[in-house]
Amino acid sequence: AQSVSQHNHHVILSEAASLELGCNYSYGGTVNLFWYVQYPGQHLQLLLKYFSGDPLVKGIKGFEAEFIKSKFSFNLRKPSVQWSDTAEYFCAAYSYNNNDMRFGAGTRLTVKP
Amino acid sequence: DTEVTQTPKHLVMGMTNKKSLKCEQHMGHRAMYWYKQKAKKPPELMFVYSYEKLSINESVPSRFSPECPNSSLLNLHLHALQPEDSALYLCASSQGTSGGAYEQYFGPGTRLTVT
Repeated sequence: AQSVSQHNHHVILSEAASLELGCNYSYGGTVNLFWYVQYPGQHLQLLLKYFSGDPLVKGIKGFEAEFIKSKFSFNLRKPSVQWSDTAEYFCAAYSYNNNDMRFGAGTRLTVKP
Repeated sequence: DTEVTQTPKHLVMGMTNKKSLKCEQHMGHRAMYWYKQKAKKPPELMFVYSYEKLSINESVPSRFSPECPNSSLLNLHLHALQPEDSALYLCASSQGTSGGAYEQYFGPGTRLTVT
């Protein structure tokens, strides 16, 4: 079955620490990849997306992600996290082959001030 | 206006009730989605409407009945639900219509409790 895996369920960091959240997908063929964020009490919003082109994509609030096709990965990074980055982060993938859209289980990020 | 609105915010219903969830967007998007999200779980796609026609139904039980009266509105009619249907129901919309290929804009959700 097609799936999107996020290996970190809960990550706790201190402010200014660097962040990397893992995301792997199992789809073959062409995929669109997304990172969505859900801040406490707010609705899901797009952080960044990859459709094609430069595999290093930059999103809002200093986040970036790198698409590595050979590893079926789309990891999210931020060089220096802030307390306001505390949120739930979801990786998502859309497969053109299967017309299938799935979210990963999510990673809860807690940033300590 | 980049908002997707959902009403009501909270809904408590009995297993014999009939109720409806409503979703509205005015961004001119031609695809709209219903998701179900249980606590501490990712959103699960239920239905996709593309140009007001149902394009994806992810094997959702018939006690959930979607309706898209026009390009701005999406309803989810509920009937004879079970307690395990209690969840946050999210609506989303996107400009593109390929069943999730494009960036989606999400509403705040309706928190449904079935008693």
